[in-house]
Amino acid sequence: DAGITQSPRHKVTETGTPVTLRCHQTENHRYMYWYRQDPGHGLRLIHYSYGVKDTDKGEVSDGYSVSRSKTEDFLLTLESATSSQTSVYFCAISEGGGRQRGANVLTFGAGSRLTVL
Amino acid sequence: AQSVTQLDSHVSVSEGTPVLLRCNYSSSYSPSLFWYVQHPNKGLQLLLKYTSAATLVKGINGFEAEFKKSETSFHLTKPSAHMSDAAEYFCVTRGGYQKVTFGTGTKLQVIP
Repeated sequence: DAGITQSPRHKVTETGTPVTLRCHQTENHRYMYWYRQDPGHGLRLIHYSYGVKDTDKGEVSDGYSVSRSKTEDFLLTLESATSSQTSVYFCAISEGGGRQRGANVLTFGAGSRLTVL
Repeated sequence: AQSVTQLDSHVSVSEGTPVLLRCNYSSSYSPSLFWYVQHPNKGLQLLLKYTSAATLVKGINGFEAEFKKSETSFHLTKPSAHMSDAAEYFCVTRGGYQKVTFGTGTKLQVIP
């Protein structure tokens, strides 16, 4: 998927355990995003990054934290997983911001399916 | 504020017949609009994008979409459906780098 790798692709965990999902890109894109996809809700933005160590919250950020220590990696952490965080998580990258029309396409990873029991 | 509305949650067509997936947008300025496709258990793949260069946009796999400002629409069409087109399709608009808004999706069923 265009130089984006998500890991793990599938994970089953128990309530209360910490979970970290990794997004790795080889495109050297500045912007990285984490979304979750749930039936009836489409894709919702959790957190995004606009550069190394520059991150901000999306619309459903409660219970999630992120880190970006280098351009190619964007980590999503669930400090204490809950059943409501069972979902499919997608990472996306973008070369430019939204107003840069030539470079504002989002490219998605293959997704990470997380089940919290 | 920006938003997109996909008018149909499910569309069913026969193989070989035309496909029409409808999307209306709301934006206070000229939007960037996209269509993505998601096959089962896969990520989202870009079909096409509108960035004001041309109102009729051609995408991959024979899909195209027309930007109609007077109707605030960006409908996705294909002249002849193929079985491999069965998937979920998302209309997306983007403003600032965090202001990406997804439609709720349209599931396309193709009947043999």
